[in-house]
Amino acid sequence: ETGVTQSPTHLIKTRGQQVTLRCSSQSGHNTVSWYQQALGQGPQFIFQYYREEENGRGNFPPRFSGLQFPNYSSELNVNALELDDSALYLCASSPGTGWGGTEAFFGQGTRLTVV
Amino acid sequence: SQELEQSPQSLIVQEGKNLTINCTSSKTLYGLYWYKQKYGEGLIFLMMLQKGGEEKSHEKITAKLDEKKQQSSLHITASQPSHAGIYLCGAPAYSGGGADGLTFGKGTHLIIQP
Repeated sequence: ETGVTQSPTHLIKTRGQQVTLRCSSQSGHNTVSWYQQALGQGPQFIFQYYREEENGRGNFPPRFSGLQFPNYSSELNVNALELDDSALYLCASSPGTGWGGTEAFFGQGTRLTVV
Repeated sequence: SQELEQSPQSLIVQEGKNLTINCTSSKTLYGLYWYKQKYGEGLIFLMMLQKGGEEKSHEKITAKLDEKKQQSSLHITASQPSHAGIYLCGAPAYSGGGADGLTFGKGTHLIIQP
């Protein structure tokens, strides 16, 4: 039990649509980050939020956006879905300002299928 | 950019045998995280290493970070069916407070044969 909960667990969307994925972090964890994991690959960093502000971003286009809320929940929004967006989306939370020596815990993931 | 290479890509081990998984970085590591993943599920935190030469153990799993901080190994003693899964190593891009998330290797698929 990591204390990080993601919803929904599975989702099917049509190309061109928009999707919102949700994550509930552990209480007190000010940093949340999102990852995309394609089949057979390691997770790829999308972006990171610290105290409701984005403070780091990977190599993903602007149609990937996010929000973090004061209650330790966060969202990943993807606009204009493409077939290649089909993947497992993971969120991770940690108590520190980033990955500086603190343990970090992942949720169980949301499997997104774009058809 | 930092790259992590894991070896082997896949491993089939008879139950009860020992095994080692390696993670090699193209740059100095400022921390190294080991996770286990069941197929299609989330990542389970195993251990985090920071200092050169550091070694940590939990139950039958031991992780080490070499003195030069460019390679880490994960060793499982007397493997059990519950050890089966995908093992991932991940590392932050910068030292302390990095805001660029973790870079991951592609994972090592471990199968335990009864």
